[in-house]
Amino acid sequence: AQTVTQSQPEMSVQEAETVTLSCTYDTSESNYYLFWYKQPPSRQMILVIRQEAYKQQNATENRFSVNFQKAAKSFSLKISDSQLGDTAMYFCAIISSGSARQLTFGSGTQLTVLP
Amino acid sequence: GAGVSQSPSNKVTEKGKDVELRCDPISGHTALYWYRQSLGQGLEFLIYFQGNSAPDKSGLPSDRFSAERTGGSVSTLTIQRTQQEDSAVYLCASSLGSSGANVLTFGAGSRLTVL
Repeated sequence: AQTVTQSQPEMSVQEAETVTLSCTYDTSESNYYLFWYKQPPSRQMILVIRQEAYKQQNATENRFSVNFQKAAKSFSLKISDSQLGDTAMYFCAIISSGSARQLTFGSGTQLTVLP
Repeated sequence: GAGVSQSPSNKVTEKGKDVELRCDPISGHTALYWYRQSLGQGLEFLIYFQGNSAPDKSGLPSDRFSAERTGGSVSTLTIQRTQQEDSAVYLCASSLGSSGANVLTFGAGSRLTVL
């Protein structure tokens, strides 16, 4: 079984500042993928960034980057130069690359960017 | 289509009635997933289709829930004799394949309210 824990239910950040969202996970699989999804009030889940566990290099997508610590089973998301449009619920998720077909989600962190 | 389409966007029903929720995945996506998101919670896996078959129904909460997929495309999630605890947003997602390497694309969800 896989589990994902997001210990920060709510966070806020000033516009243009940097914020880091935490995520820890547990899995018995050796190869897996980790994701951060964003869910704005429109309800649409939008992929923010993806990390393959066998790659040591941290993934980056423009203002979004991750700090992947495989031994610690930690996968935090850093948002630089925060924008008002970044206000959303952020979910961390894991899926095994093998036989498991479920994407397991954490409980989410509500991020509010303040003007 | 360009994205995953779900209907209805919102549904209000009375306790004890049956409801059908529809998902139209991205053309060519063979894998289709249903998730449930209760208020302020993360996503709970319900069922997964590969083509028209459902190899994993482990998340369906009771025998009042069923789902089918026809023609390897459209899927319908049916909830019989709805209960108030069924109130939630039901999200559908599709992907090119079922391995963990494939990214899920989500629809905007169907919000179900059972009075």
